[in-house]
Amino acid sequence: QQQVKQSPQSLIVQKGGISIINCAYENTAFDYFPWYQQFPGKGPALLIAIRPDVSEKKEGRFTISFNKSAKQFSLHIMDSQPGDSATYFCAGIMNRDDKIIFGKGTRLHILP
Amino acid sequence: DTGVSQDPRHKITKRGQNVTFRCDPISEHNRLYWYRQTLGQGPEFLTYFQNEAQLEKSRLLSNRFSAERPKGSFSTLEIQRTEQGDSAMYLCAGAGADEQFFGPGTRLTVL
Repeated sequence: QQQVKQSPQSLIVQKGGISIINCAYENTAFDYFPWYQQFPGKGPALLIAIRPDVSEKKEGRFTISFNKSAKQFSLHIMDSQPGDSATYFCAGIMNRDDKIIFGKGTRLHILP
Repeated sequence: DTGVSQDPRHKITKRGQNVTFRCDPISEHNRLYWYRQTLGQGPEFLTYFQNEAQLEKSRLLSNRFSAERPKGSFSTLEIQRTEQGDSAMYLCAGAGADEQFFGPGTRLTVL
């Protein structure tokens, strides 16, 4: 059972545009929702995260929007840059010291 | 740099051989996780250590897989009698009080 479903699988955005990646979760026991960024040859790195009692969190150009009733959350990258080209994973965690349940990932390519 | 190192970075082996990977977290990482990532997929949890105690194992971890963390520092993941389906990136993550920090992974190719 896939507990975190992510879309799209791949995304191409013009430089300066907004990149939007969507996720839906099934497990209502999740209480922490991180987004990870992974470059080729590297492990995933935490980008931004949110708890379900908050509807939005912004850090620089990155924003998470969270809809608890719909069990959906999304990552918005404003003013997308070529350096943002990477694979992005949404995830769910039941508590902060638990294993991470990852989505399948979105390959983002920002056109220069 | 997350401070988590993995060795080797790449391993090519023939089907049926045994392989062992090593993960070195920083000293503050009392928790250590192993994940497996296949091409085009997100990482999947394999096993988890709190200090030297192995507290959880995924059903993905068949009896050909074994992991250890002697003395609660570095960890090893061994795969016996490798199969082509074991080809993947094996990621290690260390954690202290909070966030998990991933190493660069070991890419295993089974011929």
